[in-house]
Amino acid sequence: DGGITQSPKYLFRKEGQNVTLSCEQNLNHDAMYWYRQDPGQGLRLIYYSQIVNDFQKGDIAEGYSVSREKKESFPLTVTSAQKNPTAFYLCASSIAGTINIQYFGAGTRLSVL
Amino acid sequence: AQSVAQPEDQVNVAEGNPLTVKCTYSVSGNPYLFWYVQYPNRGLQFLLKYITGDNLVKGSYGFEAEFNKSQTSFHLKKPSALVSDSALYFCAGILTGGGNKLTFGTGTQLKVEL
Repeated sequence: DGGITQSPKYLFRKEGQNVTLSCEQNLNHDAMYWYRQDPGQGLRLIYYSQIVNDFQKGDIAEGYSVSREKKESFPLTVTSAQKNPTAFYLCASSIAGTINIQYFGAGTRLSVL
Repeated sequence: AQSVAQPEDQVNVAEGNPLTVKCTYSVSGNPYLFWYVQYPNRGLQFLLKYITGDNLVKGSYGFEAEFNKSQTSFHLKKPSALVSDSALYFCAGILTGGGNKLTFGTGTQLKVEL
C-alpha cells in the first residue's frame, strides 16, 4: 500500500521539551516537505528536502529542525525554541523537479501540555 | 509580492446546485496553480492543476477549474454539489523562482446542505 505515513497522529509536548514527528514514504519520491497548518492561515512551509542529505529552510523554520538521512524518511523535530508549537503538521512528498504534484500524509496534531 | 488568495472563508450551497470556490493569484511569470481538498483531520488530496494549455482543467470527483489570465483567477467549480463535497478547499501556486514550493491560500470551507 503506497503512500505517506505520519506518526503519531496526536502528540503532546511539555514545556522545554523537544519532540520529533515521523514521516515515512514508500513512493520513491526524492522531494519531501513539512508544513504547518493553523486555522485561517492555510499551510506554511517549514522545511523541504530535494535529495538525501540536503534540506532547505522554508518560510517558518525557526524553532524546528529536520534530517534527511534516508530517501524514505524526513523527521521533523519541534524544539523548545518554538514557543507556539500547537498546530497540525503535514508531511508531503513529490518527484523531483518543478510543477509536480505533492502527496500528503494524514498529519500529526501537536498540542502543548 | 507574489501570492495566492482565497477571498471567501466559507461557501454554502444546496445539494444539486452548482458550486464555485474562488481563487486569485499574483505571480510575475507564468502561473502554475493547484487545487487541493482536505477532509477533517486528514491530509490534503490533489484535485487538479493548471500548467499551460486549455483554460478549463478537469480534475477528480467531477471538479473542474477555469483559468482566467485577464482576471488572474483560477476558480474551482462543480456543476452539481454533493453533501460529501463538504470539506476545506485550498488553492495553491508555484511562484516564480520557487522551485516546487507551493504557496497556499488560506482555504475555503465548503458546506453543502440538503
